Amino acid sequence: DARVTQTPRHKVTEMGQEVTMRCQPILGHNTVFWYRQTMMQGLELLAYFRNRAPLDDSGMPKDRFSAEMPDATLATLKIQPSEPRDSAVYFCASGLGLAGTDTQYFGPGTRLTVL
Amino acid sequence: QKEVEQDPGPLSVPEGAIVSLNCTYSNSAFQYFMWYRQYSRKGPELLMYTYSSGNKEDGRFTAQVDKSSKYISLFIRDSQPSDSATYLCAMSLIKAAGNKLTFGGGTRVLVKP
Repeated sequence: DARVTQTPRHKVTEMGQEVTMRCQPILGHNTVFWYRQTMMQGLELLAYFRNRAPLDDSGMPKDRFSAEMPDATLATLKIQPSEPRDSAVYFCASGLGLAGTDTQYFGPGTRLTVL
Repeated sequence: QKEVEQDPGPLSVPEGAIVSLNCTYSNSAFQYFMWYRQYSRKGPELLMYTYSSGNKEDGRFTAQVDKSSKYISLFIRDSQPSDSATYLCAMSLIKAAGNKLTFGGGTRVLVKP
């Protein structure tokens, strides 16, 4: 049963610390998305990649957030320095990158709390 | 104002009732319309998608799109307690590849036995 995996599932950290979240997309998927979900803002797209190249990171605060794909099996989202307003659930999703509509398969999320 | 608006609910219905969910949007360029279901503390999963206007049925679920009104709906017939979840609408522009989605805020649904 292929699925997107994310680590860690939960992270509690103090303001100012670096946070790294990891995602393993489904094997064979060439498109990877990072989302952030909060009660106030809902599900927001932060960045997405196709064939490991960033296509759009306009939703990401660039001064503190960075997203990379070191290889086809790993995507990372880093926050440095973290702030309390970054507390949210961060989801990774992957897809086949087909034309038109394409199912995005979501991981279980990383629940981040910044104190 | 957000591009996609969705009533947050919660929407509480008795088991067996019809659940009616909807979203409105402002960008007339949206062509693909999707509904995702999200259980508590899980990631969203795709329920249904439709292209442009019209209806689509899949078992107990029916999705409707009215592009002239910029309004989409999801109906769940014979609702079950297992349908209790948050339902998010999502939309995308027609494009060559990849799929950048814009989500509504989600409607929480509670089906009571």
